[in-house]
Amino acid sequence: AQSVTQLDSQVPVFEEAPVELRCNYSSSVSVYLFWYVQYPNQGLQLLLKYLSGSTLVKGINGFEAEFNKSQTSFHLRKPSVHISDTAEYFCAVSDVQGAQKLVFGQGTRLTINP
Amino acid sequence: DAGVIQSPRHEVTEMGQEVTLRCKPISGHNSLFWYRQTMMRGLELLIYFNNNVPIDDSGMPEDRFSAKMPNASFSTLKIQPSEPRDSAVYFCASSRTSGSRETQYFGPGTRLLVL
Repeated sequence: AQSVTQLDSQVPVFEEAPVELRCNYSSSVSVYLFWYVQYPNQGLQLLLKYLSGSTLVKGINGFEAEFNKSQTSFHLRKPSVHISDTAEYFCAVSDVQGAQKLVFGQGTRLTINP
Repeated sequence: DAGVIQSPRHEVTEMGQEVTLRCKPISGHNSLFWYRQTMMRGLELLIYFNNNVPIDDSGMPEDRFSAKMPNASFSTLKIQPSEPRDSAVYFCASSRTSGSRETQYFGPGTRLLVL
């Protein structure tokens, strides 16, 4: 079984500042890694995913994430945030060889202050 | 292209009543998922279907919950009888194929309040 830990439940930052949202996972098997974003009163939308290859993954809206196998981490970063980035961010994993099931972290609420 | 469509968007009901949530996946997608989101438990997978067949329903809380997918373009999640602890946001998602690398596309959710 897999589990995902998002270390920060809330992250407040100022507009145009950099941000990092942390995600660690636990799994006995190889996993695929995902970051989803949920804007207020909406469903989840994929930001980016790591399947294989380069450990630095670029996604939509200027976000990127780096897969670190030794640290079992997949932290999300953006060099300069905008007010419109205010949302909840979810890290998720799925078993490479197994069923099509996503296991989500508890989410991190990113608040951008002007 | 239309995304995943869910109805109703909001539902308020009284304890003991039957509740039916509906979902239309993206056309051409073969997999469909039902999730529940609460403050306490976060996002939980309830059940998923491949090619209209239920594959894993281990997340369904109890016998009061049932889900069907009679065809490739429609699914329902039914709660009978409903209880206040069922209050949550229920999301439907679909994906193109059944691979674990596939992106899931989420609907806007149904916000359920059971009084």
